[in-house]
Amino acid sequence: EAEVAQSPRYKITEKSQAVAFWCDPISGHATLYWYRQILGQGPELLVQFQDESVVDDSQLPKDRFSAERLKGVDSTLKIQPAELGDSAMYLCASSSGTGLETQYFGPGTRLLVL
Amino acid sequence: GESVGLHLPTLSVQEGDNSIINCAYSNSASDYFIWYKQESGKGPQFIIDIRSNMDKRQGQRVTVLLNKTVKHLSLQIAATQPGDSAVYFCAENIGGNQFYFGTGTSLTVIP
Repeated sequence: EAEVAQSPRYKITEKSQAVAFWCDPISGHATLYWYRQILGQGPELLVQFQDESVVDDSQLPKDRFSAERLKGVDSTLKIQPAELGDSAMYLCASSSGTGLETQYFGPGTRLLVL
Repeated sequence: GESVGLHLPTLSVQEGDNSIINCAYSNSASDYFIWYKQESGKGPQFIIDIRSNMDKRQGQRVTVLLNKTVKHLSLQIAATQPGDSAVYFCAENIGGNQFYFGTGTSLTVIP
């Protein structure tokens, strides 16, 4: 069964350092999403890609966060510099991009900023 | 943003009993809903979905009911098993294939 892949699974960093997360969506899925999930809360959308283009990044803190999907396949989310409040689970999801459809999530990257 | 909330933040049920998890949504234009199950340390897992032109949909041991009049969604799990213990989220879509998630309900199954 096809799955969304994410790495690393866990990341511990010190504040002011740079971190990067990688996501490989289900093969053939045109739409890719990055979410942030704070413990005890639901996922919140950070950025949505359609192929290599950003569809929505209105909730992405652009002073420190960046996301790219250069070839329309895998994607990288970067934080620089990391702050204590960035500690959370970062989830990637993908969907086929053909319309209103289910999003499938990866296992997430748990980030701890010290 | 849109509001998607759950009535009960925690739910405990005996193994073998049926579970009902509720969800209220605020946007009457919402046309697609998904229930996800999230186990500790893992990403959300798709359980079942329903579109606004339906009132009920059944899967394996799960049923989703949609009441558009009162903007309410529920997930029913039959014969709840210990493996069903997790946090359950309802996700609401109002277009652009973007979803808004509630805070989740934590289901604990007592053996």
